[in-house]
Amino acid sequence: DAGVIQSPRHEVTEMGQEVTLRCKPISGHDYLFWYRQTMMRGLELLIYFNNNVPIDDSGMPEDRFSAKMPNASFSTLKIQPSEPRDSAVYFCASRYTGSSGELFFGEGSRLTVL
Amino acid sequence: GENVEQHPSTLSVQEGDSAVIKCTYSDSASNYFPWYKQELGKGPQLIIDIRSNVGEKKDQRIAVTLNKTAKHFSLHITETQPEDSAVYFCAASKRGKLIFGQGTELSVKP
Repeated sequence: DAGVIQSPRHEVTEMGQEVTLRCKPISGHDYLFWYRQTMMRGLELLIYFNNNVPIDDSGMPEDRFSAKMPNASFSTLKIQPSEPRDSAVYFCASRYTGSSGELFFGEGSRLTVL
Repeated sequence: GENVEQHPSTLSVQEGDSAVIKCTYSDSASNYFPWYKQELGKGPQLIIDIRSNVGEKKDQRIAVTLNKTAKHFSLHITETQPEDSAVYFCAASKRGKLIFGQGTELSVKP
């Protein structure tokens, strides 16, 4: 399998613009997680899905952030409007129910908001 | 909710020495404790994990210990090599929700 695929790998945008990050989980995995990584706050769990349904979104910082999973092979994380403090690396990860619990991470999307 | 504290934030050792990273967690219901290694520009990758019904687990040069009573667990790397240099994260999980520590940047000097 190709692993978890994220796009774009790098995004530079201006404050106020909409940003959409994309993730394709590993085929057969039924859990999908979005994490944000910054120097100050480390790896923060934003939201996770099970069978395409959002289970826990308590980590989503505010209403400017939204995530969707329209089908088992695709998820988006949207920020609208973006702010400089949203600059971070956003990771998507997936796993399947019968596994030991191991999360498989994508290579991340580095977002810079000017 | 769960809170995971990790120490130290940076660790520098000589090649061949041992490295120890420690974590504490707050939720006694957490039952799964993995360790991830993150190399520059990549996503974290699992290196070893332990469940709450086990006190210690070893895989070659890497070992993890868990003290449920004290709610802390540790990663031990023996005979460190330059390729062990990376950021290491501990995590705690309950019902599939994985919460990470702040990370430890390990530097192994040749």
